[in-house]
Amino acid sequence: AQSVTQLDSHVSVSEGTPVLLRCNYSSSYSPSLFWYVQHPNKGLQLLLKYTSAATLVKGINGFEAEFKKSETSFHLTKPSAHMSDAAEYFCVVSDPLTGRRALTFGSGTRLQVQP
Amino acid sequence: DTAVSQTPKYLVTQMGNDKSIKCEQNLGHDTMYWYKQDSKKFLKIMFSYNNKELIINETVPNRFSPKSPDKAHLNLHINSLELGDSAVYFCASSPLQGVNEKLFFGSGTQLSVL
Repeated sequence: AQSVTQLDSHVSVSEGTPVLLRCNYSSSYSPSLFWYVQHPNKGLQLLLKYTSAATLVKGINGFEAEFKKSETSFHLTKPSAHMSDAAEYFCVVSDPLTGRRALTFGSGTRLQVQP
Repeated sequence: DTAVSQTPKYLVTQMGNDKSIKCEQNLGHDTMYWYKQDSKKFLKIMFSYNNKELIINETVPNRFSPKSPDKAHLNLHINSLELGDSAVYFCASSPLQGVNEKLFFGSGTQLSVL
């Protein structure tokens, strides 16, 4: 069965410093992986997705994530945090080989950005 | 101009009542979804419809009945509301049915059952 674990429920950084949001997944084969962002009182928005092409994926707003099969990880990074990055971030996995036709969401990481 | 719109934004009601949440997308997408987000922010799919046909029903109580009059609309009707139904409900759509498809989410309906 597929699953995804976000290792930190809260991350706090200062504006201008790097961001690292950690995600580990469990999947039967080579999954597709996504990061979604949810700003307060808004729906989720896709940041980036990995679908077995390049292992380093660039997304919107300067975010990127690296797929590491040996570590079963898909951590989200950004070189320099901006105040507008404060939001909830969800790591998501899909694995068609398991027969599931739905995405599995992680429990979310709340990113706080201090001035 | 809103791509996926759902109404109402907030819904406060008593236990035992019946309520509906409406969702419409103007993106021309074939697939629509309902997700439930609990108080711990955990998101779980409830239903998926592709071109008005039910594709996914994830062991949701039959008090929840989705209805898709056309592929641009997917409404959620809930009978006999219970305290545990309190959550934020998100409608979403995607161009196609595949699991690799990007989802476009509405802004959510916060349901509070008293």
